[in-house]
Amino acid sequence: GQSLEQPSEVTAVEGAIVQINCTYQTSGFYGLSWYQQHDGGAPTFLSYNGLDGLEETGRFSSFLSRSDSYGYLLLQELQMKDSASYFCAVRLPTGANNLFFGTGTRLTVIP
Amino acid sequence: GAGVSQSPSNKVTEKGKDVELRCDPISGHTALYWYRQSLGQGLEFLIYFQGNSAPDKSGLPSDRFSAERTGGSVSTLTIQRTQQEDSAVYLCASSSVVSGNNEQFFGPGTRLTVL
Repeated sequence: GQSLEQPSEVTAVEGAIVQINCTYQTSGFYGLSWYQQHDGGAPTFLSYNGLDGLEETGRFSSFLSRSDSYGYLLLQELQMKDSASYFCAVRLPTGANNLFFGTGTRLTVIP
Repeated sequence: GAGVSQSPSNKVTEKGKDVELRCDPISGHTALYWYRQSLGQGLEFLIYFQGNSAPDKSGLPSDRFSAERTGGSVSTLTIQRTQQEDSAVYLCASSSVVSGNNEQFFGPGTRLTVL
């Protein structure tokens, strides 16, 4: 079976840096993705790590360590609009390209 | 259209009725996915289409759920004899198979409420 663990809630101050961790147990693994979802909205893609290491896209960075079955999403210079739920998702090697999602981390940015 | 569209946006039905949910993927995207999201939960994979065929139906929770895709484009998810536990937001996503990062583009979802 598969499992993805994320903290359920995180609160951080505007302008600060926050790290959202994701640990996984899967029977196979192609890569780790991160999606953002605002309340009532559709999930939107943030980043993908197919290889170990750090991927940077503007204020967002994502990291993967396959040996540790661990990844994280790093958000810098937090803005109020970053308040949302963040999901890590594993791309499974089933040939189907479907994603197995974690239960999500609700980030609240406070002034 | 520019993005994935779904209809209806909201659907309220009575227990035991059948419902059909529609998804229009991004033009040219050959892969299409259906997910279900219960309140405050993550996304649960239901079914995947590559073109018109569904190589992975493993996520369908029961034989009351079925889906089809025609013309490599529009997909319909049908739930027969709806139950209250079917209440959730049903999300559709599409992707270009050639995309190395497997970025999936999601529609706004259909919120299904079974009374």
